[in-house]
Amino acid sequence: DAGVIQSPRHEVTEMGQEVTLRCKPISGHDYLFWYRQTMMRGLELLIYFNNNVPIDDSGMPEDRFSAKMPNASFSTLKIQPSEPRDSAVYFCASTPRSDTEAFFGQGTRLTVV
Amino acid sequence: AQSVTQLDSQVPVFEEAPVELRCNYSSSVSVYLFWYVQYPNQGLQLLLKYLSGSTLVKGINGFEAEFNKSQTSFHLRKPSVHISDTAEYFCAGNTGFQKLVFGTGTRLLVSP
Repeated sequence: DAGVIQSPRHEVTEMGQEVTLRCKPISGHDYLFWYRQTMMRGLELLIYFNNNVPIDDSGMPEDRFSAKMPNASFSTLKIQPSEPRDSAVYFCASTPRSDTEAFFGQGTRLTVV
Repeated sequence: AQSVTQLDSQVPVFEEAPVELRCNYSSSVSVYLFWYVQYPNQGLQLLLKYLSGSTLVKGINGFEAEFNKSQTSFHLRKPSVHISDTAEYFCAGNTGFQKLVFGTGTRLLVSP
């Protein structure tokens, strides 16, 4: 398996623009997570899905953030409108069940100017 | 709610010296605990995990960790570090409800 695949790897956008980050989990993994990593706040769990259903979105910072999982092989994290403080590395991770580790993608480095 | 605490933000050590990175968790229920490593500009890679059974867990790259329920700790150790071990190390845990919680990370700096 190719692992968790995220795209793009890098994204630079202007403030106010819409940004969409994409994730393809490992096949057969029922759980998918979105994390954000910054120097100030470390790794924050934004939202996670189980069988394509959002279970906990309490970490989503604002209404500007939204996440979807239309099927078992694809998820998006959208920021609209983007702001400079959204600049961070966004990670997607997946796991097959609740008692084992999560597998991480390489991340998307987002810069909002 | 469960939390994971990494007591040291940075640990400098000389090459071939032993190292211990500390991690404490707080939970009233059984936990699953993990250590991940992150090299610059890369994602997180699993070093080792404790799910159940033996409290001494061996991982990749010569690392090991010991689950200590009485002290609610899961410290990471390596008897002899290499320059290539320089990275950020994250302790993480969950209670099976899948809200995987991470510590703030410890930067290991290995110098010659």
